[in-house]
Amino acid sequence: QVTLKESGPALVNPTQTLTLTCTFSGFSLSTSGMRVSWIRQPPGKALEWLARIDWDDDKFYSTSLKTRLTISKDTSKNQVVLTMTNMDPVDTATYYCARIGVGTIHFDYWGQGTLVTVSS
Amino acid sequence: QSALTQPRSVSGSPGQSVTISCTGTSSDVGGYNYVSWYQQHPGKAPKLMIYDVNKRPSGVPDRFSGSKSGNTASLTVSGLQAEDEADYYCCSYAGSYTWVFGGGTKLTVL
Repeated sequence: QVTLKESGPALVNPTQTLTLTCTFSGFSLSTSGMRVSWIRQPPGKALEWLARIDWDDDKFYSTSLKTRLTISKDTSKNQVVLTMTNMDPVDTATYYCARIGVGTIHFDYWGQGTLVTVSS
Repeated sequence: QSALTQPRSVSGSPGQSVTISCTGTSSDVGGYNYVSWYQQHPGKAPKLMIYDVNKRPSGVPDRFSGSKSGNTASLTVSGLQAEDEADYYCCSYAGSYTWVFGGGTKLTVL
């Protein structure tokens, strides 16, 4: 059974760096072709793809947020970490991690999401 | 990339069919057969309903179907049921290892 769960701070001050962790089970990021992405959703708004990391440690980022994002993985812990620098109130959103299965181009399993509020 | 264009809302009565459109460009929807659709109930995570334009994951009712013509993809829900009331998002691969989502459509079952 594939599961993903996001964790991190619920409240972040403006200008701070956000660090989120996605802990997953039921698959391994050392499996060739496996990938994990981060996606966010501001309250009442649309989904926005942020970043992706592959089994071979290749990393890809949203063009508009590329300078602020870093994605990494710890295969031994079944975790993917996303950091976002210089947080702003407009970054208030529910942040999801999602799996992209081998040989596919869609998000087949999602975590429950974690709401991050940026406010002083 | 700009978000894909979806109608803000659609509605239908139980048993009827509704179609949600998703318009992009030749750089995303029109350029790849990698359109997916996600259903999201309030406060819940998105759920994959359609992938690769018209494929259904196991467990998704065959009342849900997808198609694409040019730069526009569509999700059709036939035989509407109360539990289909949710937000629906389209998503397309946009090249260079990136994805773009639609703005979302609220489906109301009257």
